[in-house]
Amino acid sequence: AQSVTQLGSHVSVSEGALVLLRCNYSSSVPPYLFWYVQYPNQGLQLLLKYTTGATLVKGINGFEAEFKKSETSFHLTKPSAHMSDAAEYFCAVLPSGGYNKLIFGAGTRLAVHP
Amino acid sequence: DVKVTQSSRYLVKRTGEKVFLECVQDMDHENMFWYRQDPGLGLRLIYFSYDVKMKEKGDIPEGYSVSREKKERFSLILESASTNQTSMYLCASSLRINRGLNTEAFFGQGTRLTVV
Repeated sequence: AQSVTQLGSHVSVSEGALVLLRCNYSSSVPPYLFWYVQYPNQGLQLLLKYTTGATLVKGINGFEAEFKKSETSFHLTKPSAHMSDAAEYFCAVLPSGGYNKLIFGAGTRLAVHP
Repeated sequence: DVKVTQSSRYLVKRTGEKVFLECVQDMDHENMFWYRQDPGLGLRLIYFSYDVKMKEKGDIPEGYSVSREKKERFSLILESASTNQTSMYLCASSLRINRGLNTEAFFGQGTRLTVV
């Protein structure tokens, strides 16, 4: 079965610092890849996605992620953290074939301090 | 603007009650999903539906059932609520994968259910 691993359940950065949230997936066939963000007491909102084409994808709020097939990774980055980035972030994969059943990682809670 | 609407943001129910969580989407999506979210466990799929009256079990279907009588509506039913079903429940919808690359799921705001 396919799985998604997010390294670090909690990440803390200073405002203005680089944000790096790690995601690795297990799949022999590259799946579609997603990052979602969840603010307190809210549903999930799509940040960005990779389906085909360019491996560096840009999303909303200045986030981007790079698909690296050789490393089976899809890490999320933002050059300069803002206080409003504090939230929980979920990496998800959509396996090839079958129905659109997203498989989620356990999530990473990002804290941004002044 | 696309929308997935869950009928309640917060619910408190008693052990043994039958509980209905309702979800409606206005995007003409074929697929609809119910997830459960617990700290440290991410989102776990309870049930999904790929068409009207069609349903498939997800990873944790025990204690739950679903109903999809109309394309836009997907209901999650807790036949006899128990305290271990206290959780955040998230509904989502998406296009069928062979309809193109717009494969992302859209989520509702969530229902925080407490069973006492």
